[in-house]
Amino acid sequence: GQNIDQPTEMTATEGAIVQINCTYQTSGFNGLFWYQQHAGEAPTFLSYNVLDGLEEKGRFSSFLSRSKGYSYLLLKELQMKDSASYLCAVNTNAGKSTFGDGTTLTVKP
Amino acid sequence: KAGVTQTPRYLIKTRGQQVTLSCSPISGHRSVSWYQQTPGQGLQFLFEYFSETQRNKGNFPGRFSGRQFSNSRSEMNVSTLELGDSALYLCASSSRSPRGQANTEAFFGQGTRLTVV
Repeated sequence: GQNIDQPTEMTATEGAIVQINCTYQTSGFNGLFWYQQHAGEAPTFLSYNVLDGLEEKGRFSSFLSRSKGYSYLLLKELQMKDSASYLCAVNTNAGKSTFGDGTTLTVKP
Repeated sequence: KAGVTQTPRYLIKTRGQQVTLSCSPISGHRSVSWYQQTPGQGLQFLFEYFSETQRNKGNFPGRFSGRQFSNSRSEMNVSTLELGDSALYLCASSSRSPRGQANTEAFFGQGTRLTVV
């Protein structure tokens, strides 16, 4: 089976940097996604990692270490609109995606 | 192009009834996955269909079933509804190939919020 762990809640200040961690245990790992979900809305794609290292996309970056079963999402220059739930999802070779329970981020002024 | 469309957006049903939810994927996408989202359990995978075949299945009882049509539209059915089935049901489509290539993001619909009373 698969096990994905993320912190339940995090709070940060506008303009700051926040790192959301995700650890996973799975067989047949075939990529890790991060999604953002605002309250009452559908999840939207943020990033994808399959190789070790850092992928940067504007204010958002995602890091993966396959040997450690670890990923993080880094959000820089936080804005109020970044308040949302951030979901880590692991893909397997079978094409199945398993989501973590999500981390609710609250950005305060 | 149009996004993923789920109907209906909201639904209220009584215990013991059955319900059918519909999902129209993005044009050209052949993979459709269904998820149940609740505050306590997060996003739980139900099943995935590709070219009218169920390719993956989560750990849900047999009351939960689905199917996919030749135009890639998908339906999921829940029979003998229980109060615990109240949740947001999300459908996601992707252009994932038959080999299950990973680097294809999923596009989610707005979901159907089911309330069982």
